[in-house]
Formats: sequence, C-alpha cells, structure tokens
Amino acid sequence: GAGVSQSPSNKVTEKGKDVELRCDPISGHTALYWYRQSLGQGLEFLIYFQGNSAPDKSGLPSDRFSAERTGGSVSTLTIQRTQQEDSAVYLCASSLGASGTLAKKIETQYFGPGTRLLVL
Amino acid sequence: KNQVEQSPQSLIILEGKNCTLQCNYTVSPFSNLRWYKQDTGRGPVSLTIMTFSENTKSNGRYTATLDADTKQSSLHITASQLSDSASYICVVSYSSSGTYKYIFGTGTRLKVLA
Repeated sequence: GAGVSQSPSNKVTEKGKDVELRCDPISGHTALYWYRQSLGQGLEFLIYFQGNSAPDKSGLPSDRFSAERTGGSVSTLTIQRTQQEDSAVYLCASSLGASGTLAKKIETQYFGPGTRLLVL
Repeated sequence: KNQVEQSPQSLIILEGKNCTLQCNYTVSPFSNLRWYKQDTGRGPVSLTIMTFSENTKSNGRYTATLDADTKQSSLHITASQLSDSASYICVVSYSSSGTYKYIFGTGTRLKVLA
C-alpha cells in the first residue's frame, strides 16, 4: 500500500550544478504532477503528465527545467545549472487519470513528501 | 488575474475549540475548489473537493462550504485536536485549453494548543 515516494528527500547542491529529482507514483496512477513550494509561497504548478506524455508544461519556469516520465510510472525532474532561487520543496502528486471530463475534474491528487532542494 | 487568498495567515486555538478558515478566489472559469491539510515536512493531503453545484461537504470534523456567487469558501474545524496543527491550503481549479490548472493559496497555519 505504498503512496507516492520521492527521492532524495533532501538535496544540497552548488550553484551551477545539475540536479535530478525522482518521483514514484502510486501504482496504477496514470496522471502525475510536479509542483514547487517556495518558502512563504503557495504551491506552484510545474508540469502534468498523462501516461508518458506531458500535455501541460506551462508551469516550467525556464528552459533549465525539464521532466520526463518513462513506462507510465517513474518521473524525473531535472534542473540544469541550478540557481539559488531554485531552492524550494519540489512536490510530486499522482492521480488515477480517469477518462471522462467529470471524473478527471474531481480526481484526488495524492502527494509525495517532497524533495527539499537547497542551492548554495 | 487568477488568485486565491486565504485568511487568517496563522491561527492559534485551544484544543477542543472550533475554528473557521477563509478562502476567497478570483479564478475563472471555475472548475472546483479543494482544501488540503499539510503537516510540517509532509506533502498535502486532500480533505474535500467541491464542484460548482456543491455548497457544503464534510470529512469527519472538517466541513467545507462554497459560495460560488461570492467566490468564497470556508473550512470549519470542529472540536479541534492537537493533530489538527498544520497548514490548510485552498486550491481552485479552472479549465484552460483542454486541461485543468490549479491556483494554490499560501495557506493558513493552524496551531492547536493543549
């Protein structure tokens, strides 16, 4: 009965380095979301996957951010040439990804514990 | 501009007391409104989801209300417990270009004291 898991739980890196964050969604969930939670800010949507495709990448803040999902399961969020303003908690969520407009509209998203990224 | 504002920013109450958290939004076209509970160091956990036609929804001691006309929602917590200490986040969803977008409030930090 595993929930959404994320790794690493904490990451400290130097400015300019690349980092890779991993998300393992709940088994069978086809929809996967990445969010960013900066100190004192609300969660900010980054990208949404349905299966392996990303119909909505509108939240990615710059071209240094990219994400992929393989096998309809694990997803990785990559941040290249990290900047200090990238420091935040990166949260992943998954949902069933039901077909049908109404079902998708009210689906519950299950969040992982997040990865706390600190860029020095 | 699509925005979600929550009040108060923080709240301290005694165990056993009731409290009400507010959420005002200017999101359009409205799809649904969600309340989440986020314990420190954890991911948010869904409490309620309400669509346009729903005025109230309960989940145990948590009751959410929605007034789509005034674009306001509230989360009422009854007989608070120490474990209710957390941040409560209001999220409003709207549809755009075939997908759903989510606007998050900054949350209300609730502290329940013994």
